[in-house]
Amino acid sequence: EDKVVQSPLSLVVHEGDTVTLNCSYEVTNFRSLLWYKQEKKAPTFLFMLTSSGIEKKSGRLSSILDKKELFSILNITATQTGDSAIYLCAVEVNNDMRFGAGTRLTVKP
Amino acid sequence: DVKVTQSSRYLVKRTGEKVFLECVQDMDHENMFWYRQDPGLGLRLIYFSYDVKMKEKGDIPEGYSVSREKKERFSLILESASTNQTSMYLCASIGGLGQPQHFGDGTRLSIL
Repeated sequence: EDKVVQSPLSLVVHEGDTVTLNCSYEVTNFRSLLWYKQEKKAPTFLFMLTSSGIEKKSGRLSSILDKKELFSILNITATQTGDSAIYLCAVEVNNDMRFGAGTRLTVKP
Repeated sequence: DVKVTQSSRYLVKRTGEKVFLECVQDMDHENMFWYRQDPGLGLRLIYFSYDVKMKEKGDIPEGYSVSREKKERFSLILESASTNQTSMYLCASIGGLGQPQHFGDGTRLSIL
């Protein structure tokens, strides 16, 4: 059975902190791993990772994939209150996606 | 920019009612998906469709059916709503393999 596990499930930090969110997976026929940010509405796409060891970066957010150890991390540096959201990890398998439970990040001023 | 539109943001129905959730995308995507999202469980796939009139069961299809009569529209049907179907329902579409899904804003459905 395909599994995607995110940790921690919930995290509270203060503005300026750096956070690392984890996503591990066990799936057959891995195609890619994606990170989404979900505030009050639709999840919005952050990164798609297909190759090991290549960091993807967008502003204060970065992510990397390890296909040997079957995990990915999402880093957020110098966090801001606007980073408060649920962060979803998804793994593309054949024709569909397998999602983790999400990490709820709360950034306090 | 891809737009995925779900017909209702909030919906309240009664046990036993037949409920229709509508989703429309404007980018001619072939693949469309229905998920439900519950705290601690993440997004779970109910059904997906890879073409008009085609459908495949996801992980939790029981109590649901779907309809895809036109490429842009994918409907989720709760045949006889029950309280355990109270949830956030998200529709998504994708242009092809190797592309990210585009999500609608979600429908928060309460069954009383």
